[in-house]
Amino acid sequence: GDSVTQMEGPVTLSEEAFLTINCTYTATGYPSLFWYVQYPGEGLQLLLKATKADDKGSNKGFEATYRKETTSFHLEKGSVQVSDSAVYFCALHSNFGNEKLTFGTGTRLTIIP
Amino acid sequence: EAQVTQNPRYLITVTGKKLTVTCSQNMNHEYMSWYRQDPGLGLRQIYYSMNVEVTDKGDVPEGYKVSRKEKRNFPLILESPSPNQTSLYFCASSAQGGVAEAFFGQGTRLTVV
Repeated sequence: GDSVTQMEGPVTLSEEAFLTINCTYTATGYPSLFWYVQYPGEGLQLLLKATKADDKGSNKGFEATYRKETTSFHLEKGSVQVSDSAVYFCALHSNFGNEKLTFGTGTRLTIIP
Repeated sequence: EAQVTQNPRYLITVTGKKLTVTCSQNMNHEYMSWYRQDPGLGLRQIYYSMNVEVTDKGDVPEGYKVSRKEKRNFPLILESPSPNQTSLYFCASSAQGGVAEAFFGQGTRLTVV
């Protein structure tokens, strides 16, 4: 079945550091890929998405590129801020099977001033 | 404001006492889902609905029921809760299923003692 593997957390960085959160996936066909963010006490919000190979999703300074050859969708940001502290989830939607998002386990990110 | 509203936000109950968690969305979305979030497991889909009166099982449906009598509402019912259903629950809705942005409620933290 479909699966998403994220790098283990938690991740702690200093403000203005470069961020990478790795995400790889296994899926049938050509899934759509997403990054969702969960701020403390809130539900998940869509951060960015890519629906086909080589697409780059971007939002709020975050970027991720859909790499079919490596089945990856790594999240990057050039200069993180304290306000980026949250839990980040990589997810996929497959073209086969039921209507669901398959999530990774989440990566907790803490940015210290 | 576009939103998904869940109630209650927090609930402590005893084993075997039936409960319902409500979910309502104001975006006229066709697709709605319930997920549970557990440490180290990410989010897993419990049930989903593609339209009124159309529901289907997700990955972890045991012990749960749902109904979709109206487009805006998608309640989650635990007929006889057990401690292993202690979790954080999220309702989500989207316009087109998995490829469209999913909007999440703020979550319901359920404790079954």
